[in-house]
Amino acid sequence: DAMVIQNPRYQVTQFGKPVTLSCSQTLNHNVMYWYQQKSSQAPKLLFHYYDKDFNNEADTPDNFQSRRPNTSFCFLDIRSPGLGDAAMYLCATSRLHSGSGGETQYFGPGTRLLVL
Amino acid sequence: ILNVEQSPQSLHVQEGDSTNFTCSFPSSNFYALHWYRWETAKSPEALFVMTLNGDEKKKGRISATLNTKEGYSYLYIKGSQPEDSATYLCAFWGTYKYIFGTGTRLKVLA
Repeated sequence: DAMVIQNPRYQVTQFGKPVTLSCSQTLNHNVMYWYQQKSSQAPKLLFHYYDKDFNNEADTPDNFQSRRPNTSFCFLDIRSPGLGDAAMYLCATSRLHSGSGGETQYFGPGTRLLVL
Repeated sequence: ILNVEQSPQSLHVQEGDSTNFTCSFPSSNFYALHWYRWETAKSPEALFVMTLNGDEKKKGRISATLNTKEGYSYLYIKGSQPEDSATYLCAFWGTYKYIFGTGTRLKVLA
């Protein structure tokens, strides 16, 4: 089945040690999103790619970077994870950019990051 | 500050009961309101995309209504089943902003 895949499902890293989370999609969608969800909070959009165009949310810390080498893959890099970066990280795709808000987003199952 | 609020935070219902919950969002600069169901250990699944004031959408036993003028949406589940147990998230798409609520956690007791 076409889907959004995130690996690994659980990731443990050390304080300050760079970590990369992966997302791949078989939907051939143009847009890929990364969200951060901390415990009991709403998922928060970090950034998104529309094709190769990178769009950062204004309040996303510089510690968070992203790469999209091709249509199918998108990576979230956390350069120096702090304890406050422990969260669920969700990847999503949509066929087109939700400029009008009408595009359904398709989510992966998330990667739960633990920072020791 | 744009805020999306969902209530209640959590609820337990008996199998067969009908239930509903609310999503409140800014009434200005509205583009769309999305509802998702998120079962534990699975991916959030889109239920509805609602764009027009007065929209009513239905999928099986689940339906939703939208009032953009007053900034709220209701999600209804008729005859709840244990498999309906999940977190139900709404997300507001405004001018260049996509904001999620914190969700309503539903537990349906057999």
